[in-house]
Amino acid sequence: GESVGLHLPTLSVQEGDNSIINCAYSNSASDYFIWYKQESGKGPQFIIDIRSNMDKRQGQRVTVLLNKTVKHLSLQIAATQPGDSAVYFCAENGSNDYKLSFGAGTTVTVRA
Amino acid sequence: SQTIHQWPATLVQPVGSPLSLECTVEGTSNPNLYWYRQAAGRGLQLLFYSVGIGQISSEVPQNLSASRPQDRQFILSSKKLLLSDSGFYLCAWSAWKSYNEQFFGPGTRLTVL
Repeated sequence: GESVGLHLPTLSVQEGDNSIINCAYSNSASDYFIWYKQESGKGPQFIIDIRSNMDKRQGQRVTVLLNKTVKHLSLQIAATQPGDSAVYFCAENGSNDYKLSFGAGTTVTVRA
Repeated sequence: SQTIHQWPATLVQPVGSPLSLECTVEGTSNPNLYWYRQAAGRGLQLLFYSVGIGQISSEVPQNLSASRPQDRQFILSSKKLLLSDSGFYLCAWSAWKSYNEQFFGPGTRLTVL
């Protein structure tokens, strides 16, 4: 089953604007969260991850925010580019095992 | 560096035929290995995972099986394919006993007719 769900299935954003992709999770015991980007016909690629002892982590043009109080995760992409068009998945490890639980994905389309 | 390979990239098979998809990982030892299926426009469904040779955990009862004959080889099989087996099959690995990120292969697009 999918214990991680996304708020919006699609997101259209103007090139150069910032994008925010949201994710809700249900398992309060989850201690590791990760974002993947999947381009059409390819396998998912790691973007950024965060542990539950943090509430913010930054990478190159991306920031992940974690709000454990409301069990909410978000991915922010700065200055969105056409190459950012893809499906974005959040995932969590909420169990004491080696599995990740994936959400359904948000399709991001960048308008020129 | 580590790399993960899957083949074939695409496959068209008739209903009732057998299936064998292969995944191999290079550059790491004792990886955790995973098979996922992705239906069109959907998320990732974990099918099997393995933490060692001969150790397979099945997540969803189905028409498929998995085997790990070698440390860095993971095989997905079926004796008789169903139409519902069509999808995008992804293999992934993570570091030994890691609860963290998984690294995905390029995937196999399977169409059952």
